[in-house]
Amino acid sequence: GQQLNQSPQSMFIQEGEDVSMNCTSSSIFNTWLWYKQDPGEGPVLLIALYKAGELTSNGRLTAQFGITRKDSFLNISASIPSDVGIYFCAGPKTNAGGTSYGKLTFGQGTILTVHP
Amino acid sequence: DTGVSQDPRHKITKRGQNVTFRCDPISEHNRLYWYRQTLGQGPEFLTYFQNEAQLEKSRLLSDRFSAERPKGSFSTLEIQRTEQGDSAMYLCASSLGPQLYGYTFGSGTRLTVV
Repeated sequence: GQQLNQSPQSMFIQEGEDVSMNCTSSSIFNTWLWYKQDPGEGPVLLIALYKAGELTSNGRLTAQFGITRKDSFLNISASIPSDVGIYFCAGPKTNAGGTSYGKLTFGQGTILTVHP
Repeated sequence: DTGVSQDPRHKITKRGQNVTFRCDPISEHNRLYWYRQTLGQGPEFLTYFQNEAQLEKSRLLSDRFSAERPKGSFSTLEIQRTEQGDSAMYLCASSLGPQLYGYTFGSGTRLTVV
């Protein structure tokens, strides 16, 4: 089945630093999603990517859809303490025609800690 | 739009007891999904409904698990004869069709089996 591998597993950074994390897959995804999860809460969508090569920003967050469609990257610039949390990549299961079933496969997450 | 609501937020139960969780999706969303998340892992798909029809079940959903969405609105997830390995966060999400835009998760129910 589809599996997503995220790296690094955890990051400890100083406030103000930039952060980069990535997600790779053994199979092709037609959509990449990046979520943030705070302790005791559900995942919240940060950025959605729909085209290979696409680069999308949301405030200090920038994500890219790899041209091979087997990877994606998330960058956070000028980190702040509220960026602390777990970041997940996810992608939908699709049929042969690329239509999404809506069922998501998640990576194992990157834990981000920001020191003030 | 009040988002996806899950109840209870936390549940502690003794091994062997039955538990039931409720999920209220965003009102206009016709699809509802259940996921399970264990510590240190990402959410794993369990099952989903389109309106009241249960369209897919993961092999993670053993015979002790059952989910319903009788009127195509709220859903319940029941676990019978709970085991310690059932301890996890159970997340519900909803969407309008298979569209990923608007795909929203609830805050989850944290189950602890003692």
